[in-house]
This record gives sequence, structure tokens and C-alpha cells, in this order.
Amino acid sequence: GDSVTQMEGPVTLSEEAFLTINCTYTATGYPSLFWYVQYPGEGLQLLLKATKADDKGSNKGFEATYRKETTSFHLEKGSVQVSDSAVYFCALAPQGGSEKLVFGKGMKLTVNP
Amino acid sequence: DAMVIQNPRYQVTQFGKPVTLSCSQTLNHNVMYWYQQKSSQAPKLLFHYYDKDFNNEADTPDNFQSRRPNTSFCFLDIRSPGLGDAAMYLCATSRDFRDDEQFFGPGTRLTVL
Repeated sequence: GDSVTQMEGPVTLSEEAFLTINCTYTATGYPSLFWYVQYPGEGLQLLLKATKADDKGSNKGFEATYRKETTSFHLEKGSVQVSDSAVYFCALAPQGGSEKLVFGKGMKLTVNP
Repeated sequence: DAMVIQNPRYQVTQFGKPVTLSCSQTLNHNVMYWYQQKSSQAPKLLFHYYDKDFNNEADTPDNFQSRRPNTSFCFLDIRSPGLGDAAMYLCATSRDFRDDEQFFGPGTRLTVL
């Protein structure tokens, strides 16, 4: 079945450091890919998404590119801030709809000043 | 702003005492989902409604039930909460299965004493 594998962490970085969170997926066809962020004590918020190969999603300085050839959707940010401390989930929606979002296990990021 | 609202944000119940969690949405979306998220884990889909059609995940315990009296509201009923049911419960919506983005509420954190 469909699955998502991502770095689990936890990861601690200093402010202004470069961030990469790896995410790879297994799915048939062309799923849609997402990064969700969960701040402490809150629900999930969509950070960015991509719906077809070579699409780049971007938001709040974060970027991820849908790579069909490597089945990857790695999240990057050039300079993290303390406010980026959160748990990051990679997810996919199977081709044809979002009836079942498949999540990775999540990665907790802490950014220190 | 259109949104997904969950009440209460924090719920404490006693072992075996029924509890109901509430979700409402102003997005006028057709699909509503309930997820259970335990500490440091990914959200786990319990069930969803497409309009009035109820779809239960195969591994959702019978102890969990749901009601959707109208488009805007959806309830999660836990008939006899056990200690293992302590978790964050997340409600989400999507416009349609052909629309691949889910919008999440802030969650209700359930404590079972």
C-alpha cells in the first residue's frame, strides 16, 4: 500500500541554520504531496503542497519539490527561526482524492536562539 | 475567517464515562474526518463522513462512534473511554474527495482519569 517515510528526529538546530527534512514515498500513479506543521498544543496546518511531478511548493521560506524519479519531497529552509520549532509531517493523498491521507511519523524540530 | 472549530480544546473524563467531542466548520465542505493522535505519533484516521455517508476504518474500535447531524457539525462519541484512549483528537474537512487538501481544526486533548 501507499506509505511515507520521513526523518524522525528529534532535531535541534541553532537559529539561522539550514534545514532539510527528507521525505520519500511509495504510491501508485501520481499522488499529491504535502508538508503539514504542528505547533505545540495545536492541530495540523498545511505548510505547502505539490500536486504533480516537478512542482515546487513554497511557503514561509520553506520549499519542497515533487521528484517523481526519486519519489521524494524533501523540505528545506535556508535559515530557520525559533518560531519554526514544531513537528513536521510529510503526507500524501493517493491519486484521485484525499479520502485517505497517508502521513509519515513526523519530525520534531527545535530551534535555539 | 472560514475555519474548522473544535470544542472543547481540553476534555477530562473518567474511566468508562461517556464523552462527546464536537467539531464544526464554516467551509461548507462535504467531507469531515476524525483522527486520533497519540503522543509523538502521526494522526490515525478513525472514520469520515462524505455528506451523510459514514465510512469507518477497519481497525477503529467499536467504542468510537460518530454523528453528523448536518453539514456543519460532526461529533465523536467515546462510549466507554479507557486509559488508552487518552490522545489528541483532530477534526478535518475537505471539499470533496476530488479536492486533495484537508483542513484541520486545533484539536481536543482528551485526558482519561
